Amino acid sequence: SAVISQKPSRDICQRGTSLTIQCQVDSQVTMMFWYRQQPGQSLTLIATANQGSEATYESGFVIDKFPISRPNLTFSTLTVSNMSPEDSSIYLCSVVGGAGELFFGEGSRLTVL
Amino acid sequence: LAKTTQPISMDSYEGQEVNITCSHNNIATNDYITWYQQFPSQGPRFIIQGYKTKVTNEVASLFIPADRKSSTLSLPRVSLSDTAVYYCLVDNTDKLIFGTGTRLQVFP
Repeated sequence: SAVISQKPSRDICQRGTSLTIQCQVDSQVTMMFWYRQQPGQSLTLIATANQGSEATYESGFVIDKFPISRPNLTFSTLTVSNMSPEDSSIYLCSVVGGAGELFFGEGSRLTVL
Repeated sequence: LAKTTQPISMDSYEGQEVNITCSHNNIATNDYITWYQQFPSQGPRFIIQGYKTKVTNEVASLFIPADRKSSTLSLPRVSLSDTAVYYCLVDNTDKLIFGTGTRLQVFP
């Protein structure tokens, strides 16, 4: 299993500002994923972050809006840029375990006013 | 990526067995079937994974018919703490796409 810590756990932000979410894993992993979960909805994959390469974004998500860093095998950040109320969501970091299962952090609940 | 279809919600009572069925008609030969559980304010948690026939662990059982076009997650003797959203996923890559999930409500 993997233990994933996310910071911040929640935040309230003003429109037009940016927020960086950190994800720390207790073991080295090749692939990390960032998901978004809007209120009452399922999870939507934002991007896949591999160490040493550019993140791969899913349709509807762009690097300018959600820049991702992956400086080493245990850490990643997701920045939500130029926020609007529509960005109010829970953002979740996840990694793949040895059997192919996903492990998730507790999520970062973001409210944009 | 195979799409999945699940009931939006289900209700049950404590002590009952709950079976949640997921349809995945376009499942590919290399796809595995995985189920996750999500409680409010938490990330999803892996429950069980299978390829065919039946898989059982300490939490649940997963039944997969021969054609693999559907699967059924079986939760024996549910309790109030099993109230959660349950997601069925099929994929053969590490990139897992979540469907709408089934919201299970367990009543006393």
